[in-house]
Amino acid sequence: SAVISQKPSRDICQRGTSLTIQCQVDSQVTMMFWYRQQPGQSLTLIATANQGSEATYESGFVIDKFPISRPNLTFSTLTVSNMSPEDSSIYLCSVEEVQTQYFGPGTRLLVL
Amino acid sequence: QKEVEQNSGPLSVPEGAIASLNCTYSDRGSQSFFWYRQYSGKSPELIMFIYSNGDKEDGRFTAQLNKASQYVSLLIRDSQPSDSATYLCAARSNDYKLSFGAGTTVTVRA
Repeated sequence: SAVISQKPSRDICQRGTSLTIQCQVDSQVTMMFWYRQQPGQSLTLIATANQGSEATYESGFVIDKFPISRPNLTFSTLTVSNMSPEDSSIYLCSVEEVQTQYFGPGTRLLVL
Repeated sequence: QKEVEQNSGPLSVPEGAIASLNCTYSDRGSQSFFWYRQYSGKSPELIMFIYSNGDKEDGRFTAQLNKASQYVSLLIRDSQPSDSATYLCAARSNDYKLSFGAGTTVTVRA
């Protein structure tokens, strides 16, 4: 399976600031996704990152809050904007390979 | 809304026993189903996937799918302390998206 890396692995941020999370894959993939996992919860899909076009957001998630870029088939970024303590979560990118999704190591975000 | 529900945990089993995890899904259009294992502080790791009705075995793990009943299960045979983790069931729909259950936490007692 593809090797997926994320940066940063963790961060502590002040409310009102923004953080950009990077996801890098070692091979070209068509489908990339961003998930959020709040403390003690399961995974919730934020959006599908589409190469060359705008991301497709799930209900409850908006582009102004979670802008996503996908400049090529191996890289994507998710920005968490104007953060509040409720944004404290693990953010995970995933890629689809052979009809199966594999996850990156995640970014652990704490907003104070 | 596409819902995936898992049997509530936590599930505690003695070492060497069988751990049985259950999952139901609401979207009849779901095509394939996945079991992920997530250790505390780590990201989900794929254990097994299943597309067809029946059983699929991989080492100590067996996944079972019954599309008529909209039911998926995972059996872990000869449970080991290293199997202690949260197990996530996911259903994949035609639009490639995964819907996850809340997870079942398994503890294997030595």
